[in-house]
Amino acid sequence: ETGVTQSPTHLIKTRGQQVTLRCSSQSGHNTVSWYQQALGQGPQFIFQYYREEENGRGNFPPRFSGLQFPNYSSELNVNALELDDSALYLCASSDGYISGANVLTFGAGSRLTVL
Amino acid sequence: KNEVEQSPQNLTAQEGEFITINCSYSVGISALHWLQQHPGGGIVSLFMLSSGKKKHGRLIATINIQEKHSSLHITASHPRDSAVYICAVPEYGNKLVFGAGTILRVKS
Repeated sequence: ETGVTQSPTHLIKTRGQQVTLRCSSQSGHNTVSWYQQALGQGPQFIFQYYREEENGRGNFPPRFSGLQFPNYSSELNVNALELDDSALYLCASSDGYISGANVLTFGAGSRLTVL
Repeated sequence: KNEVEQSPQNLTAQEGEFITINCSYSVGISALHWLQQHPGGGIVSLFMLSSGKKKHGRLIATINIQEKHSSLHITASHPRDSAVYICAVPEYGNKLVFGAGTILRVKS
């Protein structure tokens, strides 16, 4: 049983650029949730994908978008990067989308720095 | 919107001490998650509980649904327990709302 793998682990971009972050979910998990964690704060929910469909979204602008593939891996895309997008981006997979009923398995995160 | 508050924000303990971290939330929930985050970012799920108490090794989590309160206890603390401990509760079924975390440092 593999865990959740995220790539890249670190990256540096400049304002206005676009970035794609990737997440391979744990074997057997059909749900992927993405979170943004700014320095010194708790993670904030970006959105969730369940069986390739977006299944809920937090308070993030449309320039944050995502995909889930048939193998349940997922991508997070951020366009027109802003300085405030600098954060740790965490991916979590689970077997089911009800967060009160399913244990989440987290990846190690992708740390994005926007200059 | 569920508001999640953790206390204390920072905690320094001597090796061997008994540690308690508290979590309160504002809206009734079906279950609560306790998570551990080490420097570098990776998060590990410690517990998901909906009632009573759960124990795993030296870690014990309790929840009182009526009082909207949960505690995480660490017995015989060790320097390797140093991490950020975060509680999280569900909102709208499919998302988690996280507390700000408790930074624990255990000194040898």
